Amino acid sequence: QSALTQPASVSGSPGQSITISCSGSSSDVGGSDHVSWYQQHPGKAPKLMIYEVIKRPSGVSDRFSGSKSGNTASLAISGLQVEDEADYYCCSHARNDFWVFGGGTRLTVL
Amino acid sequence: EVQLVESGGGLVQPGGSLRLSCAASGFTLNDCSMNWVRQAPGKGLEWLAHIWTTSGTTHYAESMKGRLTISGDNAKNSVYLQVNSLRDEDTAVYFCVRDRDWAFDHWGQGTQVTVSS
Repeated sequence: QSALTQPASVSGSPGQSITISCSGSSSDVGGSDHVSWYQQHPGKAPKLMIYEVIKRPSGVSDRFSGSKSGNTASLAISGLQVEDEADYYCCSHARNDFWVFGGGTRLTVL
Repeated sequence: EVQLVESGGGLVQPGGSLRLSCAASGFTLNDCSMNWVRQAPGKGLEWLAHIWTTSGTTHYAESMKGRLTISGDNAKNSVYLQVNSLRDEDTAVYFCVRDRDWAFDHWGQGTQVTVSS
């Protein structure tokens, strides 16, 4: 069982906005500024989309944004596009295990 | 251009061992830390091990402690992962991942490890 809890799936139509949650504890998400999000298309390596909760790497669309409240982090995607369809994983630095991932969320763009 | 190229995967019998290698280019290991992350078929990402290549300090996933050894060779700009006492459930793609600014900013394409008799 993953240390961080994500919904198994979310869906939206092109142009809509969605949010993916990532719930942890005070030992990881709640106690760390080192929360990141990754996008993975089938058969590909993951790609960094958000780091340090809210920061976007160069080249990542500003349609992607991150936030955190208490022990829950969130990834928001606005103006959904077909190419956003992928698996998304959150990750947090943790007091016990050094890094922990969420179980992943499959985003379907209908 | 940053590149990470893993090698050393393959078919191994239960109880066996493997040493995975990761050749880095486009940066020097001294500038960051390195990790290994795996993904079992149809499953999510699982962090395994981390090394501060400058100091040699390491961290391991509790679930894998005792079976993993991560190491680095700054002269070869390479990182390694020794995995012992392999089990069926260790079957996965193993990714080498660069860690800069406390995020996994570059990933290799992965090397497949299959544990089967």
